[in-house]
Amino acid sequence: DIVMTQSPDSLAVSLGEGATISCKSSETVLYTADNKDYLAWYQQKPGQPPKLLIHWASTRESGVPDRFSGSGSGTDFTLTISSLQAEDVAIYYCHQYFSAPLTFGQGTKLEIK
Amino acid sequence: QVQLQESGPGLVKPSQTLSLTCSVSGGSMTSTLYYWSWVRQPAGKGLEWIGRVYPSGSTNYNPSLKSRVTISVATSKNLFSLTLTSVTAADTAMYYCARGRAVTGADYWGQGTLVTVSS
Repeated sequence: DIVMTQSPDSLAVSLGEGATISCKSSETVLYTADNKDYLAWYQQKPGQPPKLLIHWASTRESGVPDRFSGSGSGTDFTLTISSLQAEDVAIYYCHQYFSAPLTFGQGTKLEIK
Repeated sequence: QVQLQESGPGLVKPSQTLSLTCSVSGGSMTSTLYYWSWVRQPAGKGLEWIGRVYPSGSTNYNPSLKSRVTISVATSKNLFSLTLTSVTAADTAMYYCARGRAVTGADYWGQGTLVTVSS
């Protein structure tokens, strides 16, 4: 199984400041045939299902604000929120869909400082 | 717009079988572009992938649950199902169904259904 490890477990950032969440996979999630990383980021707010923000490590979903960006390749990935808004308070999960069993990171709780 | 809705008993007794159904509307389940997943989340904890089924009926499961899990699909009825046998309190969780795509991972999710295992 591919183990996904996020850091930090929790993060407090001031409004308007940037936030960075790291995700590391125990094996590569890069599919060499198409040179795509099969890594997604989700946002989950209390009482709601996860919402897909980014797939292929850096491709934003339609409607996701451009302050959210993803980067990285292979085994090391980052989710960056460039200017934190109050509505960004949530738990963020990385997820590899490269190989079964699919796995999630443990989550990073993002709060306002 | 694709919508998914979980349904099933909210309370299951220990050692019994948990059975949930996910109804899919707003799209066809027959396309080979998609797979259909179950994910669960104990209160205050992270997401655990349970497994998935393709329209063909082919499945993949989480090895930690594989001996107890069955996921099946009924494309003609636009639904797929989860069966988990021999449940314990550790199976108490919010259960989500989701549509997955090879290129994105799970893109549409149901609102979830809370299942409690208790006598």
